[in-house]
Amino acid sequence: GENVEQHPSTLSVQEGDSAVIKCTYSDSASNYFPWYKQELGKGPQLIIDIRSNVGEKKDQRIAVTLNKTAKHFSLHITETQPEDSAVYFCAANHWRGNKLVFGAGTILRVKS
Amino acid sequence: KAGVTQTPRYLIKTRGQQVTLSCSPISGHRSVSWYQQTPGQGLQFLFEYFSETQRNKGNFPGRFSGRQFSNSRSEMNVSTLELGDSALYLCASSFEGANEKLFFGSGTQLSVL
Repeated sequence: GENVEQHPSTLSVQEGDSAVIKCTYSDSASNYFPWYKQELGKGPQLIIDIRSNVGEKKDQRIAVTLNKTAKHFSLHITETQPEDSAVYFCAANHWRGNKLVFGAGTILRVKS
Repeated sequence: KAGVTQTPRYLIKTRGQQVTLSCSPISGHRSVSWYQQTPGQGLQFLFEYFSETQRNKGNFPGRFSGRQFSNSRSEMNVSTLELGDSALYLCASSFEGANEKLFFGSGTQLSVL
């Protein structure tokens, strides 16, 4: 089945710096890759997603890149702010669809 | 537009009891998925329902079950609770399934004593 690995497990950056989180997936049939942000006491919130027919997608300070050949995708956050501090999860859809396989999560701390 | 609503937010049960969790999806969404979140195992898929039919099931014992009603609302049930069932149970809804945007509720925090 699909397996998603996520690195790093924790990331500390200074306010205004960039943050990069990387994920690799195992199933070449996966074609949908969302990223979620989870704050304390809340459920995961979708922040950006990308499909396998696209190499990069941007939304203001957030961008995601996808390398299908290498089977990895990354989240880039520029000009980080304290409110970006949260746990971030990458995910990939299973080839049969109807479920997401999540990475283990990255705790991002933005220091002001 | 109201988001995904899960009730209750917190539950405390003892071993051997059973529990029912409820999820109301976003209006118009027909797919409801359930995930278990624990510090050790992360987010694990339980099952997915679409138009009252279970389409996919994760690797959980038969003590975990669910159903979906005609209005797309869903419930999950855990029988004969074990200490290891303590977790945050998350419900997510979408129009068609996990190949598109999933919207999560805030979850039900279950503690088994």
